[in-house]
Amino acid sequence: GIQVEQSPPDLILQEGANSTLRCNFSDSVNNLQWFHQNPWGQLINLFYIPSGTKQNGRLSATTVATERYSLLYISSSQTTDSGVYFCAVNWRGSQGNLIFGKGTKLSVKP
Amino acid sequence: DTGVSQDPRHKITKRGQNVTFRCDPISEHNRLYWYRQTLGQGPEFLTYFQNEAQLEKSRLLSDRFSAERPKGSFSTLEIQRTEQGDSAMYLCASSPQGAVTEAFFGQGTRLTVV
Repeated sequence: GIQVEQSPPDLILQEGANSTLRCNFSDSVNNLQWFHQNPWGQLINLFYIPSGTKQNGRLSATTVATERYSLLYISSSQTTDSGVYFCAVNWRGSQGNLIFGKGTKLSVKP
Repeated sequence: DTGVSQDPRHKITKRGQNVTFRCDPISEHNRLYWYRQTLGQGPEFLTYFQNEAQLEKSRLLSDRFSAERPKGSFSTLEIQRTEQGDSAMYLCASSPQGAVTEAFFGQGTRLTVV
């Protein structure tokens, strides 16, 4: 099966700092999504980005499918950005279910 | 539409009891997924429905687990004879038909087996 690795596992930032989260995957994928899991456990959709670059406010994401990685950029971080960020891929060998990485736990300090 | 809805949000049960969770997907979505998430891990796939047909089951779905989607709308996940190892967050997701589509998750049901 496909492996999805996220780095770093933990990240502590001062409010206002920028950060880059990385997601590597070991095989070709049909889809890639980034999620933010809030303290109550809900997965919030950030980006649906099988390839290319997208931006949404202070967040942007880039997926280079041919090199099997994706990056999530957070600029001018706020305390509300704290939580766990997950990358998930839809693998060509699956029927649409997502394979998740272990996540990056982000803590933004005031 | 308010998104994917799950009920209950929290469930505490004694070991050996049966529990059932419900998921209502986004109304126009015909695909429905169940995932399980334990502490410190990413969600893991359990099973997948397209309309009322259960098309895929993970090896994680033991004989004590059963899922249904009788009319292709809401789905239920039942765990029989619960064990402490079943304690986890159970997440439901839905997506529209298509080759590759975006999935949306519910708030989850947090199960604690005591």
